[in-house]
Amino acid sequence: GQQVMQIPQYQHVQEGEDFTTYCNSSTTLSNIQWYKQRPGGHPVFLIQLVKSGEVKKQKRLTFQFGEAKKNSSLHITATQTTDVGTYFCAYSGAGSYQLTFGKGTKLSVIP
Amino acid sequence: DAGITQSPRHKVTETGTPVTLRCHQTENHRYMYWYRQDPGHGLRLIHYSYGVKDTDKGEVSDGYSVSRSKTEDFLLTLESATSSQTSVYFCAISFGQGPSEQYFGPGTRLTVT
Repeated sequence: GQQVMQIPQYQHVQEGEDFTTYCNSSTTLSNIQWYKQRPGGHPVFLIQLVKSGEVKKQKRLTFQFGEAKKNSSLHITATQTTDVGTYFCAYSGAGSYQLTFGKGTKLSVIP
Repeated sequence: DAGITQSPRHKVTETGTPVTLRCHQTENHRYMYWYRQDPGHGLRLIHYSYGVKDTDKGEVSDGYSVSRSKTEDFLLTLESATSSQTSVYFCAISFGQGPSEQYFGPGTRLTVT
């Protein structure tokens, strides 16, 4: 079946450094979503990508969907302590409303 | 935040006892989901509902049942709790069919001793 690998599992960065997490699939994805979960909190929707090669930006966050729709990335420029948390990618099959989540990348930011 | 509440927020129970978790939404949305979250596993879908009395199994449904008698309420029941069901449980809703974003409740931390 379809599997998505999210890497790295953990990332520690100095405040001000950039951060990137990757979501890689063995098969083509119809769409991908990204969520952020703060420590002790619940997942919060960030963005959805559906088009091949799509790039979307939210302030310091840049989201990309690969040309082959098999990978996606979330890049944070100049991290801040407010960026701390776990970032999850999630995808659904074509026409499906069920999401399958990656295992997440836990980001720590050292002030 | 979407109008989603979960109750209880924390529960400690003994092995073999039944447990029911409640998810309540004020958004009148059709789709509701139950996930469990465990270290190293991310979020895994237990059951979901696509309407009143319409439910289906997710990835990790064994040992769980659900019911949805009203649009606003989605109940998750552990008929006989086991220690492997110690987890954080999240309810979510989605606003539409297809690849629609999901909005999560605050979670219930369940400990089975």
